Amino acid sequence: AQSVAQPEDQVNVAEGNPLTVKCTYSVSGNPYLFWYVQYPNRGLQFLLKYITGDNLVKGSYGFEAEFNKSQTSFHLKKPSALVSDSALYFCAVRDLGSGGSYIPTFGRGTSLIVHP
Amino acid sequence: DARVTQTPRHKVTEMGQEVTMRCQPILGHNTVFWYRQTMMQGLELLAYFRNRAPLDDSGMPKDRFSAEMPDATLATLKIQPSEPRDSAVYFCASGLTSGGSSEQFFGPGTRLTVL
Repeated sequence: AQSVAQPEDQVNVAEGNPLTVKCTYSVSGNPYLFWYVQYPNRGLQFLLKYITGDNLVKGSYGFEAEFNKSQTSFHLKKPSALVSDSALYFCAVRDLGSGGSYIPTFGRGTSLIVHP
Repeated sequence: DARVTQTPRHKVTEMGQEVTMRCQPILGHNTVFWYRQTMMQGLELLAYFRNRAPLDDSGMPKDRFSAEMPDATLATLKIQPSEPRDSAVYFCASGLTSGGSSEQFFGPGTRLTVL
């Protein structure tokens, strides 16, 4: 079965500092991994995904994520946080192995708060 | 700029009433998802359609919820009768099959309040 964990409910960071939002996953085969962002009173927006290839994936708004197979992680990062990055961030995984589902599984979300 | 649209954006109703939420997926997308979001439960998958066929509705309370795709441009989610515990934001998302590698495009949501 596929599962994903976002171990932090909330992450606080000062504007201009680097930020990391953590995501770990569990799959039986290879994963497809996704990050989405949700601003207040909006739907989720796609940020980036890892399908295959380079472990470092670059996405929208200056975000990037690193696929680490040995640690089963896909942490979201940004070198310099902006106040406007404050939002709810969701990690999602799809397992390509025999125990997987065609439908991605979403984490519970991490609230990122960037302080001026 | 192609977007998923949802109507209504807000709905306030009384317990026992029927609620219908509508979604127009992005033209050309062949998968549609319905989700419910609450503070307590987070994001829950209610239903999944591929090429208009319902493939997974295991997350949906069958006794009161129903989801359909009358045609490729319209997906509906109905609650009858509605209950206060159904109060939540309901999202529709669409995408392409692409072997499961395609991202989902979410609509703005319908905020439902059942009194």
